[in-house]
Amino acid sequence: DAGVIQSPRHEVTEMGQEVTLRCKPISGHDYLFWYRQTMMRGLELLIYFNNNVPIDDSGMPEDRFSAKMPNASFSTLKIQPSEPRDSAVYFCASSLDGLVANYGYTFGSGTRLTVV
Amino acid sequence: DAKTTQPNSMESNEEEPVHLPCNHSTISGTDYIHWYRQLPSQGPEYVIHGLTSNVNNRMASLAIAEDRKSSTLILHRATLRDAAVYYCILRKGNEKLTFGTGTRLTIIP
Repeated sequence: DAGVIQSPRHEVTEMGQEVTLRCKPISGHDYLFWYRQTMMRGLELLIYFNNNVPIDDSGMPEDRFSAKMPNASFSTLKIQPSEPRDSAVYFCASSLDGLVANYGYTFGSGTRLTVV
Repeated sequence: DAKTTQPNSMESNEEEPVHLPCNHSTISGTDYIHWYRQLPSQGPEYVIHGLTSNVNNRMASLAIAEDRKSSTLILHRATLRDAAVYYCILRKGNEKLTFGTGTRLTIIP
């Protein structure tokens, strides 16, 4: 298995532009998570899906952020319009059962977003 | 949520064992103890987890105190590739994975 695949690996965009981050989870994993990592706040959970349905988006910072999972093998995190404070590394993770304490998460390599 | 306490940083010599401590004095009976690590420029990576008994896998060993209020992640022979931030996390059922600040491990050649 290729693991969780994220694209692009790096993204530089200008303030006000729309940014779309992509994630392909591990086949068969029913849970998908989006995290953000900054020096100030560490790793934060933004949103997670179960069987392609968003379950908890309480970590999404504001309405400029949206996430979708149109099918079991693809998810996007969109920021529109982007702002410099959105600069961070965004990670996607998947799990067989994300709410069972005995199961682990597999993370992708992340997308480093820089908004100038 | 039950919390964990880890040292901010540790150093260890290459090819020597490393013992990474974690205190979790408010742990409940249903909390699993998970360890993840994050190598530079990578996403977090699962290392090991346990409930009450010590656990071993190809990456590390997890030693859990009898009262479960502390645990230790043991890397038996550290290499330069083990330099990372190590996170000790408590999880019970229906909880998502939540990260603290972890321990930054530096391996000295």
